[in-house]
Amino acid sequence: SQQGEEDPQALSIQEGENATMNCSYKTSINNLQWYRQNSGRGLVHLILIRSNEREKHSGRLRVTLDTSKKSSSLLITASRAADTASYFCATVAMDSSYKLIFGSGTRLLVRP
Amino acid sequence: EPEVTQTPSHQVTQMGQEVILRCVPISNHLYFYWYRQILGQKVEFLVSFYNNEISEKSEIFDDQFSVERPDGSNFTLKIRSTKLEDSAMYFCASKSPPWTGGYEQYFGPGTRLTVT
Repeated sequence: SQQGEEDPQALSIQEGENATMNCSYKTSINNLQWYRQNSGRGLVHLILIRSNEREKHSGRLRVTLDTSKKSSSLLITASRAADTASYFCATVAMDSSYKLIFGSGTRLLVRP
Repeated sequence: EPEVTQTPSHQVTQMGQEVILRCVPISNHLYFYWYRQILGQKVEFLVSFYNNEISEKSEIFDDQFSVERPDGSNFTLKIRSTKLEDSAMYFCASKSPPWTGGYEQYFGPGTRLTVT
């Protein structure tokens, strides 16, 4: 099954540092997306990268995609305490109803 | 900014009872989804709905589950006879058509279902 798995499971950093989260998946994808979830709340879309793209930036976010390794990374630069949340990668298959298959997530704690 | 809304925010029900979770997707979206998240676990896909029919469902979405879009705005998930293991956060999401460039999904705040 197509499944995103992330590492690390948990990450604790100091405010101002960079945070890197990694995601691996198993099957061919149309695109890969990153979502953020504050504790017990809904998911918020952060950034999308298509299968023919290698890198994308949005503000303090940088996402990379390596389709040969079936992996992606999310970098948050100059982290803030407000970035504390869980971060999930989600893949969309080539032929699907555009459903999202989520990874297990990384819990990020940014210490002030 | 348009958003997906869900009601109720928290539902407590007894095992064997029927529950209906309600969602109002973003108005010009055409693709609708239900996901669930058991406490501490990953978000799992349940079902997708397009053009007034189910387009895909997961193994979790068995005969106890059904979805409906009864009018032009609501999208509901019904669980006919709840089990303890149905306790989870249920998220509704919607998406605009891909020909508009819309691949990201917009999620509601969720309904926490507790089955006792």
